[in-house]
Amino acid sequence: RKEVEQDPGPFNVPEGATVAFNCTYSNSASQSFFWYRQDCRKEPKLLMSVYSSGNEDGRFTAQLNRASQYISLLIRDSKLSDSATYLCVVKGNYQLIWGAGTKLIIKP
Amino acid sequence: DVKVTQSSRYLVKRTGEKVFLECVQDMDHENMFWYRQDPGLGLRLIYFSYDVKMKEKGDIPEGYSVSREKKERFSLILESASTNQTSMYLCASSLYRGQGLEETQYFGPGTRLLVL
Repeated sequence: RKEVEQDPGPFNVPEGATVAFNCTYSNSASQSFFWYRQDCRKEPKLLMSVYSSGNEDGRFTAQLNRASQYISLLIRDSKLSDSATYLCVVKGNYQLIWGAGTKLIIKP
Repeated sequence: DVKVTQSSRYLVKRTGEKVFLECVQDMDHENMFWYRQDPGLGLRLIYFSYDVKMKEKGDIPEGYSVSREKKERFSLILESASTNQTSMYLCASSLYRGQGLEETQYFGPGTRLLVL
């Protein structure tokens, strides 16, 4: 089993819709979690950190479920510019563990 | 604004060649990292460095070495390139000394390496 698993997608979603995807992790001792965004043929960039109480940044909401060992990302009122691959990142014992990413395509 | 630059966007090399990938950051970051990214796999850490002349192996160091002679520069060396090293190579930096892994990692644009 991979340490960090994501549905690769693609998720094809109409503009304006709400979309959510999860990421599961295997190390129950993990303490820090992040979502990064990677545009096609570009480098990853931090989207948001994920806090225990959940956090929101505009149209984006991140949640952590420790009992079931997953984090989620919810995007409301999706825009064409949200099309990207979303990478889930979990801090392991000594380093960051990266998921392979979920591809999101927003259609007009 | 943090800027991380990599010496080449695209590189084509032959099997057995020695390959140098350079990364420079301009924000006085302590930590620097080299990853490779392959389809269907997450970023995999090759080497990282918390300070000048300091280096630590990541998950997949075999076939690679690194050099950090100056704080702003972190080089990845493929001693004898092989076809299974064809990949996207990403350099990253982050601010804090020591473990500081909670801190944001800033990435360079990546180098797409093709080994023939």
